[in-house]
Amino acid sequence: GNSVTQMEGPVTLSEEAFLTINCTYTATGYPSLFWYVQYPGEGLQLLLKATKADDKGSNKGFEATYRKETTSFHLEKGSVQVSDSAVYFCALSRTGGTSYGKLTFGQGTILTVHP
Amino acid sequence: ETGVTQTPRHLVMGMTNKKSLKCEQHLGHNAMYWYKQSAKKPLELMFVYNFKEQTENNSVPSRFSPECPNSSHLFLHLHTLQPEDSALYLCASSQELGRDSPLHFGNGTRLTVT
Repeated sequence: GNSVTQMEGPVTLSEEAFLTINCTYTATGYPSLFWYVQYPGEGLQLLLKATKADDKGSNKGFEATYRKETTSFHLEKGSVQVSDSAVYFCALSRTGGTSYGKLTFGQGTILTVHP
Repeated sequence: ETGVTQTPRHLVMGMTNKKSLKCEQHLGHNAMYWYKQSAKKPLELMFVYNFKEQTENNSVPSRFSPECPNSSHLFLHLHTLQPEDSALYLCASSQELGRDSPLHFGNGTRLTVT
């Protein structure tokens, strides 16, 4: 079946530090991959996506590359800000049968950035 | 405005009450979803509607009853809930049911069952 595994949190960083949040997946077919972000008191927002192998999604300084050989989609940012403090979710879209297009989410990783 | 509006933001109900959650999307999307977000668990997909037709019921107990009168509105009717049903309930929409069609989420309803 489909599954997404994210690194355990919480992750605590100082402002301007480098961020990596690991995400690996198991899926049949060729899913699209997504990162969503949830700020306190809000719903999830799409951060970036990649739809095929070797694609790089990017937005707001965040990047992730679709690595089919390692079944990974790690999120990176070169210099985090306090405003990046949130919960980050990795997700994949299912590709089979009646589940086509529906998302499977990882458990989320809490990021806290201190000044 | 987020594009997907959920009401109420917070709801406290007893186990014998009946209440409804409302979701409205202003994006012209054709698919709508209910998700449950509990602490320390991945988001759980509950129901999916595509062009007002239910396409998925993810083994959700019958005490949760969805309704989709049109492509812009989605309800979740609640009755005789249990304390373990306390969670954040998120509504989402997408342009279509497709692998590349991202979800747009509302801010959720925080439900507490006493």
